[in-house]
Amino acid sequence: DQQVKQNSPSLSVQEGRISILNCDYTNSMFDYFLWYKKYPAEGPTFLISISSIKDKNEDGRFTVFLNKSAKHLSLHIVPSQPGDSAVYFCAAQIRGGADGLTFGKGTHLIIQP
Amino acid sequence: DTEVTQTPKHLVMGMTNKKSLKCEQHMGHRAMYWYKQKAKKPPELMFVYSYEKLSINESVPSRFSPECPNSSLLNLHLHALQPEDSALYLCASSHIDTQYFGPGTRLTVL
Repeated sequence: DQQVKQNSPSLSVQEGRISILNCDYTNSMFDYFLWYKKYPAEGPTFLISISSIKDKNEDGRFTVFLNKSAKHLSLHIVPSQPGDSAVYFCAAQIRGGADGLTFGKGTHLIIQP
Repeated sequence: DTEVTQTPKHLVMGMTNKKSLKCEQHMGHRAMYWYKQKAKKPPELMFVYSYEKLSINESVPSRFSPECPNSSLLNLHLHALQPEDSALYLCASSHIDTQYFGPGTRLTVL
């Protein structure tokens, strides 16, 4: 059973516009969520996170929104830049333990000039 | 500084070889992890060390053997691997709740 879902395998956005990546989860015990950016054959790079006690967290061009009742989170990138082209993974965990992350399958973001 | 280093970057080994992957961090993180990632798939957790003790082993085959010599180092010993074990092996360490990943070791088993 997939506990973290990213239903869009790919997303194409024009440079300068907003990119919105979506993620859904099923495990109500998850209380900490992260977004990672990954290039091929490299490790994931941490972008931004959000705790379940918040509904929004912002860092520069990146904003993550959390809707707990809908078990949904989204990553907004504004404005989108060519260097943002990569695979983006949503991940979730139960805070406080030393557990690993549960990842979604990723969304390949392509920024078109 | 959130750097996790991994060596080697690439490794090719035969099914009868014994090799080791190494991971290092000097951020004072007390939890370290091994993940395996196959092409076009998300990373999958293999092992978790917390305060140098193995806390989670996600039923990984015994041909993979983790070791945590100290709080900064994590090894993954490989023996008698199969071609299907070819993948990107990622190490991570965590500060409180955020995990930081190394660049990975690309392993090919012939």
